[in-house]
Amino acid sequence: KNEVEQSPQNLTAQEGEFITINCSYSVGISALHWLQQHPGGGIVSLFMLSSGKKKHGRLIATINIQEKHSSLHITASHPRDSAVYICAVRMNTGFQKLVFGTGTRLLVSP
Amino acid sequence: DGGITQSPKYLFRKEGQNVTLSCEQNLNHDAMYWYRQDPGQGLRLIYYSQIVNDFQKGDIAEGYSVSREKKESFPLTVTSAQKNPTAFYLCASRNRGGGNNEQFFGPGTRLTVL
Repeated sequence: KNEVEQSPQNLTAQEGEFITINCSYSVGISALHWLQQHPGGGIVSLFMLSSGKKKHGRLIATINIQEKHSSLHITASHPRDSAVYICAVRMNTGFQKLVFGTGTRLLVSP
Repeated sequence: DGGITQSPKYLFRKEGQNVTLSCEQNLNHDAMYWYRQDPGQGLRLIYYSQIVNDFQKGDIAEGYSVSREKKESFPLTVTSAQKNPTAFYLCASRNRGGGNNEQFFGPGTRLTVL
């Protein structure tokens, strides 16, 4: 079993829909990251959070430390949101490496 | 602009040849990382360096080598010993200071071994 599990693996939506991507993890962490990877391959950090909730524009990220679960929400989705969204956790042991989920591929149609 | 550059974006090599991927950062970050991405898998750590002149193996270091002679540079060599070198390679950097510092990623290099 992977230490970081994301669901769904693939997601299609119509423009304007509310989208939720889930991330569960099984290790002790000091922080959780949500990353966005566009078709060209470059990765952009969307959020880093260790508790509660963060909001940036139409994106909202939440984390429940007790349940070891995080969600990324996109409100009023747009075709430019089409990308792969990756959850990564920073472990709280050793040199605190990042452990990555396999990503959720989102396609938003006009 | 501060950031991480990787070059080239696409790289083709013949089987049996060593190839070096470049990674440069001007963020003044202490720590630098190399990851490999394969379809259907999460990013996996190849090597990391927390300070100049020091580096450590990650989870999949076999067939790779690195150097960290300068703070801003962390080149990765894919040797002929790497059995499956075709992949997307991402470099990242992070400040080692206290707290949960964000990790920044480069644009990546797609290596294809023919």
